[in-house]
Amino acid sequence: GNSVTQMEGPVTLSEEAFLTINCTYTATGYPSLFWYVQYPGEGLQLLLKATKADDKGSNKGFEATYRKETTSFHLEKGSVQVSDSAVYFCALSDNSYDKVIFGPGTSLSVIP
Amino acid sequence: DAGVIQSPRHEVTEMGQEVTLRCKPISGHNSLFWYRQTMMRGLELLIYFNNNVPIDDSGMPEDRFSAKMPNASFSTLKIQPSEPRDSAVYFCASSRGSGPQHFGDGTRLSIL
Repeated sequence: GNSVTQMEGPVTLSEEAFLTINCTYTATGYPSLFWYVQYPGEGLQLLLKATKADDKGSNKGFEATYRKETTSFHLEKGSVQVSDSAVYFCALSDNSYDKVIFGPGTSLSVIP
Repeated sequence: DAGVIQSPRHEVTEMGQEVTLRCKPISGHNSLFWYRQTMMRGLELLIYFNNNVPIDDSGMPEDRFSAKMPNASFSTLKIQPSEPRDSAVYFCASSRGSGPQHFGDGTRLSIL
């Protein structure tokens, strides 16, 4: 079945450091891929998405590229801020937003 | 615009009691999802509705859990009788067509 694997956290970075959170997936067909972010005490919010191979999703300085050959969708940001501290979830959907499969989440802490 | 509204935000009750969680989806959204989040299991999809009809309830843990969606603007998740292992954060999310899921802020449930 479909599944998502993420790098384990927690990840701790200094402000302005480069961020990479790895995500790989297993799916039949051509899923859509997402990154969601969960700030403390809140629900998940869609951060970015990509719907086909080689698409790059981007938002708030974060970006991720849909790599079908490596079944990956790694999240990157060039310079993190303290306000980026949150839990990040990689997710996929088999071309229907109706059912989304989430990875386990990666906790990020950015220190000044 | 109002987002997904969940109530209560926090619930503390004794085991054996009935618990009812409530959700108001975003107006115009036709899919609604109930999730449970714990440290041990991460984010789990319990059930989802499309046009008020339950589509997939395979994630509902057992018969003690039930969910209803009597109309497009309201859903409930009920646990009866509750047990300490039901303690978790319960999220409701809604979406429209092929759009992304929008999450509420969750209900933090503690069963003593």
